[in-house]
Order: sequence, then C-alpha cells, then structure tokens
Amino acid sequence: NAGVMQNPRHLVRRRGQEARLRCSPMKGHSHVYWYRQLPEEGLKFMVYLQKENIIDESGMPKERFSAEFPKEGPSILRIQQVVRGDSAAYFCASSPPLTGELFFGEGSRLTVL
Amino acid sequence: EDQVTQSPEALRLQEGESSSLNCSYTVSGLRGLFWYRQDPGKGPEFLFTLYSAGEEKEKERLKATLTKKESFLHITAPKPEDSATYLCAVQSGYALNFGKGTSLLVTP
Repeated sequence: NAGVMQNPRHLVRRRGQEARLRCSPMKGHSHVYWYRQLPEEGLKFMVYLQKENIIDESGMPKERFSAEFPKEGPSILRIQQVVRGDSAAYFCASSPPLTGELFFGEGSRLTVL
Repeated sequence: EDQVTQSPEALRLQEGESSSLNCSYTVSGLRGLFWYRQDPGKGPEFLFTLYSAGEEKEKERLKATLTKKESFLHITAPKPEDSATYLCAVQSGYALNFGKGTSLLVTP
C-alpha cells in the first residue's frame, strides 16, 4: 500500500519561473492538504482539497499560488513567478474521510535562485 | 486564534535518560491533539491522536498524555534512533495547526 507520493523531490527554479509540485494521495484517501515548511518555522497549512473542489484555501498566499485536485490524476500546487522567499519544503498530506489524521509525503524541496 | 507552543525547542539526552516534551495549546473546542515525528529531510510520521483530557496512548518507548491545556510526550529509556523532531498539532477548522517542534538528540 503505497504512501503519499510527491514529485519532484527537489526542484530548482530561477526567479520569475513557474514551479509545479505534484501529489498522489494514499489509496482510498480522497482528501489532500498542502503545507509549507520554512527553516526554523513550523508546518504552515496552505490549502485543503477534495476531488475537483477547494474546501479551504485560507493559508494560501493571495497571489501567484494555486492548487487543484482534478477528478483524474494527482493534486498540483502551482507557484507562478517564483521569488526567493518561496524557497521551502512543500508537503502534501492525505487523509481518509471523517478523521483528522494526516499522512504526509516526503516533501518537495523548492530552491529559487 | 488556535495556538500550539512546544517546549523545549531542543533537548539532548543520553541513551537511557527518560524525559518529557511539552505541548501547550489554546483552541476553542478540542477535536484532536496529534503527535508526529519528523526525521531530517523526511515528511512527518504520525504517532498518536488524543481526544479528551485524561487520555493516554503508548507506542514502544513513547507515551502521550493529555490535559485540558497541554499534552506531554514521555520518552522512556530513549535510544539514539529516537533522535528526531517531534511535532504537536491541534485540529483547527479543516486542517492541523502545528507547533514548531522539539528537536531531540539522544547520544550513546
């Protein structure tokens, strides 16, 4: 039973480029969460999605960031026109319905040059 | 606003030296307190969920307890492989609100 799969594990972008991070939840999980972790800071919630729906995006920056979880395929976190401050580890987590327990992937580490 | 504060920020123990990590929280209506372990370069690994004051859960050398204001993660006779960052979180709305973690180092 595969866990939460994230790719790429490492991504390097220059300022102004776009970053796309992908997440496939655990089998049987229909809820996906994205978190960001900066050095010396805790995990910060960004967005919660179910298939084809954004349920809560209260943690997403208002500009340049977007997320989707299509009916088919992985969830995608998209960052447009990246800046150095976007450098961080981005974690995806999934959960089964009706439980608060999140199961995390290994993360995607974005470096913006 | 829901808040989670963990202490100490860092803890160094000798192998076999038991200790406790603290997680203080303020939340309107606790719907779950969660403990995770995170190794460097890895994603957080789920350990425990506690739902009500007085509840305790154990796994190997770890025991988590919960009161109305805080949770403790007790580590009994730790081994070097217990070295990691331990994260505490409370359910806040749809998501989990995490503390900054306690970085534990267990030396042989």
